[in-house]
Amino acid sequence: QKEVEQNSGPLSVPEGAIASLNCTYSDRGSQSFFWYRQYSGKSPELIMSIYSNGDKEDGRFTAQLNKASQYVSLLIRDSQPSDSATYLCAVTGQGGSEKLVFGKGTKLTVNP
Amino acid sequence: GAVVSQHPSWVICKSGTSVKIECRSLDFQATTMFWYRQFPKQSLMLMATSNEGSKATYEQGVEKDKFLINHASLTLSTLTVTSAHPEDSSFYICSARSVTGAFFGQGTRLTVV
Repeated sequence: QKEVEQNSGPLSVPEGAIASLNCTYSDRGSQSFFWYRQYSGKSPELIMSIYSNGDKEDGRFTAQLNKASQYVSLLIRDSQPSDSATYLCAVTGQGGSEKLVFGKGTKLTVNP
Repeated sequence: GAVVSQHPSWVICKSGTSVKIECRSLDFQATTMFWYRQFPKQSLMLMATSNEGSKATYEQGVEKDKFLINHASLTLSTLTVTSAHPEDSSFYICSARSVTGAFFGQGTRLTVV
């Protein structure tokens, strides 16, 4: 059973702080990793993708991948109240599978 | 990012009727699209994989005769909820993969009364 685990939170940080979101996955053959942001009542929005070990930065967001530890994280620097949402970690299977397996999401609240 | 358009964004229907939801990739072609369902405060659950020109692949526990999927072209997949019942009320979301990642439609909130 392929699983993606996230701390459900809620995670609460003050405005301007760094928010750290974590995700572990069970399928060692997973090849692609994504972070989505979902506002209440809306569909998920892709914010980061990462495919190889190490860090990937895009603006205030940094994704980190460690395949040996089966761990992927998302850092949000200078957190803003508009970052308040549920963050979903998603992982594809091995063998080039396009299916995404989602974690249950971490709810982030950024307090002004 | 790529654009996926889903229609309608919300629908209310009577129990026993059928509802069709459309999912279009606007600026790329998608041989594969995915249909998800999300209940309140829960994560996305994959219902089925829609394959252009062939039958959809359904996840375990999803009734293929109730949730009809047609992937008529490289830019359009439809999900028809047949003989809808109140327990089918949910948020239905489609997704398609482009070269840069998987993108979601806006979602359809279905309420069966």
